[in-house]
Amino acid sequence: ETGVTQSPTHLIKTRGQQVTLRCSSQSGHNTVSWYQQALGQGPQFIFQYYREEENGRGNFPPRFSGLQFPNYSSELNVNALELDDSALYLCASSFSGSGELFFGEGSRLTVL
Amino acid sequence: SQQGEEDPQALSIQEGENATMNCSYKTSINNLQWYRQNSGRGLVHLILIRSNEREKHSGRLRVTLDTSKKSSSLLITASRAADTASYFCATEGGAYSGAGSYQLTFGKGTKLSVIP
Repeated sequence: ETGVTQSPTHLIKTRGQQVTLRCSSQSGHNTVSWYQQALGQGPQFIFQYYREEENGRGNFPPRFSGLQFPNYSSELNVNALELDDSALYLCASSFSGSGELFFGEGSRLTVL
Repeated sequence: SQQGEEDPQALSIQEGENATMNCSYKTSINNLQWYRQNSGRGLVHLILIRSNEREKHSGRLRVTLDTSKKSSSLLITASRAADTASYFCATEGGAYSGAGSYQLTFGKGTKLSVIP
């Protein structure tokens, strides 16, 4: 158990809808990163938040957005869902200067 | 895009045997990490090796890093059925922000099956 919790664990949406995924980071961690993992692939970096500010972004369109709250929990929002957005979305927390990431169990999104 | 490539893509061994997985990457790195994932669940950090290190051990795990060849290997000794999982290498470099954490770039993973 890493202490990182994500919700919901599974959800099904249709094309064009919007989704919000939530993450509570491990106690004492001030940085949250989000990754997308398509079936059979490795995780791909979406973005990272440090002290409530976006602090690095991967090759994802602007319809992927996020927030980090004062308690360091975080949300990932995806607008105008596409079929290719179907994936496991992983949240990971860490503390400044630490290389190790602590992952949650993920939210599996299916877009029909 | 994915920086690392693990080899082999799949590996099946008997319990008690050693398992070796390899990872190659393309650009310079600050460190390289190995993670494990059970059946599409969350990733668990196994070991981190810095660019100025050549070998590191943790329990039954041994990791080597050759920066001249841009490659790493993960050795699991005396494997157990519970080691069955996918193993990913991840590199950190280039996008380091200096403000906390940093971006990891993962490979596609090696799927290890340990037969009892």
